[in-house]
Amino acid sequence: QKEVEQNSGPLSVPEGAIASLNCTYSDRGSQSFFWYRQYSGKSPELIMSIYSNGDKEDGRFTAQLNKASQYVSLLIRDSQPSDSATYLCADWMDSSYKLIFGSGTRLLVRP
Amino acid sequence: EAQVTQNPRYLITVTGKKLTVTCSQNMNHEYMSWYRQDPGLGLRQIYYSMNVEVTDKGDVPEGYKVSRKEKRNFPLILESPSPNQTSLYFCASSLDRTEAFFGQGTRLTVV
Repeated sequence: QKEVEQNSGPLSVPEGAIASLNCTYSDRGSQSFFWYRQYSGKSPELIMSIYSNGDKEDGRFTAQLNKASQYVSLLIRDSQPSDSATYLCADWMDSSYKLIFGSGTRLLVRP
Repeated sequence: EAQVTQNPRYLITVTGKKLTVTCSQNMNHEYMSWYRQDPGLGLRQIYYSMNVEVTDKGDVPEGYKVSRKEKRNFPLILESPSPNQTSLYFCASSLDRTEAFFGQGTRLTVV
């Protein structure tokens, strides 16, 4: 089992819709989770961080963490074509002190 | 301005010719790491460092060396580059188990 797993997509949504991106992780001791956005050929850019169970909202973005089920998700409301990118989930591994990334989900927002 | 700076941004080299990619951060972060990114494989960690003189292997360390003599710098050394090290490389830094900040990336081609 990979340490951090994401569906590679592409996830295609119409403009204005809600995009839902999911990530599962294997280390039960993990405490810190992050969502990054990456445009092709560019460096990853932090979108959200979440450290405790529940929801965290920032503008059009909501991160959700469920430690019992070991998944973290990102909701993007009112999706825009400029949101089209690859979204990476990252997890600080408690067992190995490494920041590990999922392989990313490609999001396409259709005008 | 808080930033992580990598150099060079682009590099074409020949098999076996030693090279160094530099990484510097001005945020006084303890943690620094190197990743490579290849199509379909996501971000894979090469080496990381928890502080000065403390480094450890990531998931794909073969063929690479690092050093951490100063807190701000974390160079990546390829003693004898091979074509399978052609990739997009990112340096990142962070405080302990918090969000990581990335450099602009170095696109390396080994012929």
